[in-house]
Amino acid sequence: AQSVTQPDIHITVSEGASLELRCNYSYGATPYLFWYVQSPGQGLQLLLKYFSGDTLVQGIKGFEAEFKRSQSSFNLRKPSVHWSDAAEYFCAVLSNSGYALNFGKGTSLLVTP
Amino acid sequence: ETGVTQSPTHLIKTRGQQVTLRCSSQSGHNTVSWYQQALGQGPQFIFQYYREEENGRGNFPPRFSGLQFPNYSSELNVNALELDDSALYLCASSTDRLYEQYFGPGTRLTVT
Repeated sequence: AQSVTQPDIHITVSEGASLELRCNYSYGATPYLFWYVQSPGQGLQLLLKYFSGDTLVQGIKGFEAEFKRSQSSFNLRKPSVHWSDAAEYFCAVLSNSGYALNFGKGTSLLVTP
Repeated sequence: ETGVTQSPTHLIKTRGQQVTLRCSSQSGHNTVSWYQQALGQGPQFIFQYYREEENGRGNFPPRFSGLQFPNYSSELNVNALELDDSALYLCASSTDRLYEQYFGPGTRLTVT
């Protein structure tokens, strides 16, 4: 079954520093991949998605992600983190069925002054 | 454009009771999916409704059931509540392009 793994449970970065959140997928064909962000008490907000084509995708809030087939990865990056970026980040892959999203366990981001 | 809304925000139930959660999809969306998010975990797919029919189901028992109405709003019903049903229940809506799902704020269910 299609699945994603987020190796880092917690990450702490200083405000203004760069950020990279890791996501590894398990899927035979080209996966449909997503990054979502969840702030406390909020639902999930879609940051960006990858279906095909250019392997570097741009999203909202200054985030980008790069699809690397050779590494089975879809890491999320941001060049300069803001305090408001502190949240839970989820990587997800569309299932074979085409209707369910399979999520990772999430990475909790803490931003320090 | 109105986003996905869910009600109620919070709910406390006793083991063995039944609960109904509600979701209004985003304007123009005809597909609704439900997810369960336990504390510290990622969301898990429960089922999806498309044009009032169940379109797919995850690994959840039959006591989890749902409905979709002609206006594309949806209900999630859970019978015989168990303590492990305590979670955040998320509703997501989408169009026929199933892969872009937009989530509501969720309903926090506590079973005591």
